[in-house]
Amino acid sequence: DIQMTQSPSSLSASVGDRVTITCQASQDISNYLNWYQHKPGKAPKLLIYDASNLETGVPSRFSGSGSGTDFTFTISSLQPEDIATYYCQQYDNLLSFTFGPGTKVDIK
Amino acid sequence: QVQLVQSGAEVKKPGASVKVSCKASGYTFTSYDLNWVRQATGQGLEWMGWMNPNRGNSGYAQKFQDRVIMTRNTSISTAYMELSSLTSKDTAVYYCTRDLSSNAKYWGQGTLVTVSS
Repeated sequence: DIQMTQSPSSLSASVGDRVTITCQASQDISNYLNWYQHKPGKAPKLLIYDASNLETGVPSRFSGSGSGTDFTFTISSLQPEDIATYYCQQYDNLLSFTFGPGTKVDIK
Repeated sequence: QVQLVQSGAEVKKPGASVKVSCKASGYTFTSYDLNWVRQATGQGLEWMGWMNPNRGNSGYAQKFQDRVIMTRNTSISTAYMELSSLTSKDTAVYYCTRDLSSNAKYWGQGTLVTVSS
């Protein structure tokens, strides 16, 4: 099974700061990676698919990059409504999926 | 529009089973796999398995292999996830989601399952 790691596990930043989260796969997954935002009491929201494509309607301050085993998710200017936990998720073979452990983002 | 509507919250005793439903609308039910994902208390998102509504076959994460069954009723466009031998560690919000690949934007609202004696 493909394992996913994320770092950091949590971070605290100021409004307007640039925030970066990294995600690493245990084997090459090409660009088969999603990024989600998850807020308490809500379903996860897809932000980025295929590692770098912005989902329709998602603000452009969110972006993703990477391929193979190393991926990065960036919020260019942190906003109060971005407080959430962010997860990466691989879909390399469509028969087995794995989420990263999550990164909790807070406002300093 | 695509909607996935799940059944309501459940409270179960340890050792019991729970069956959660997910009713799909706004698309052809048999055209897309349905996945189940859970978030246990204080934990992250965890994929449990997938079910193909057309063929009726399924695949499960190894962790749940021996106690989860995913089924469907195509006549009412509804998928089911049954988890048995419940323990307190299964207290979680369970989500159904259509597709976990590049089109993973359709999720149910979540169903809270509480396991308590």
